[in-house]
Amino acid sequence: GQQLNQSPQSMFIQEGEDVSMNCTSSSIFNTWLWYKQDPGEGPVLLIALYKAGELTSNGRLTAQFGITRKDSFLNISASIPSDVGIYFCAGIHYGGSQGNLIFGKGTKLSVKP
Amino acid sequence: GAVVSQHPSRVICKSGTSVKIECRSLDFQATTMFWYRQFPKKSLMLMATSNEGSKATYEQGVEKDKFLINHASLTLSTLTVTSAHPEDSSFYICSARATYQGTHPAFFGQGTRLTVV
Repeated sequence: GQQLNQSPQSMFIQEGEDVSMNCTSSSIFNTWLWYKQDPGEGPVLLIALYKAGELTSNGRLTAQFGITRKDSFLNISASIPSDVGIYFCAGIHYGGSQGNLIFGKGTKLSVKP
Repeated sequence: GAVVSQHPSRVICKSGTSVKIECRSLDFQATTMFWYRQFPKKSLMLMATSNEGSKATYEQGVEKDKFLINHASLTLSTLTVTSAHPEDSSFYICSARATYQGTHPAFFGQGTRLTVV
């Protein structure tokens, strides 16, 4: 079945540093989503990408839908302590029997003040 | 974004009892709802997918008789953990989509921390 490889698994950075994480797959996706999960909460949608090559920003966050449609990255600029959490990518593939989202395993971000 | 409300946020129950968790889409009609289980410091594990008005589709290894899912309306799905045991203690999260396929992203509830004693 389809799988997403999300990396890195975890990151420990200093406040103010930029962060980059990505998801790759051997399959093509039609939509890429990025979520953030705070401890003890459900994931919150950060950015949704719908077209290959699309680059979208949400404040200090920027995400891109890869040209090949097999990857996506999320960048966080000038990280702050509240950026701590787990970031999940998710892909949606149209058609076939599978209509649910495919999630990456998450990137745990720790920010040192 | 769309709002999905999950209730309760925390529940403690005794072994052998059943617990029901509700997931509601507040401002959109959710054709499809998903139930996940998450162990500490781990990713989301999809348990089942439910489409309104039809039986849920369970992932391999998830006991359908233990985790009963009902999606009777376009705004409500429930997960009932029957005859709960301590190993069922976990964080359960629901999410909802407006369509089964297509561009719509899924929106998540706040999660339910279940502790079975």
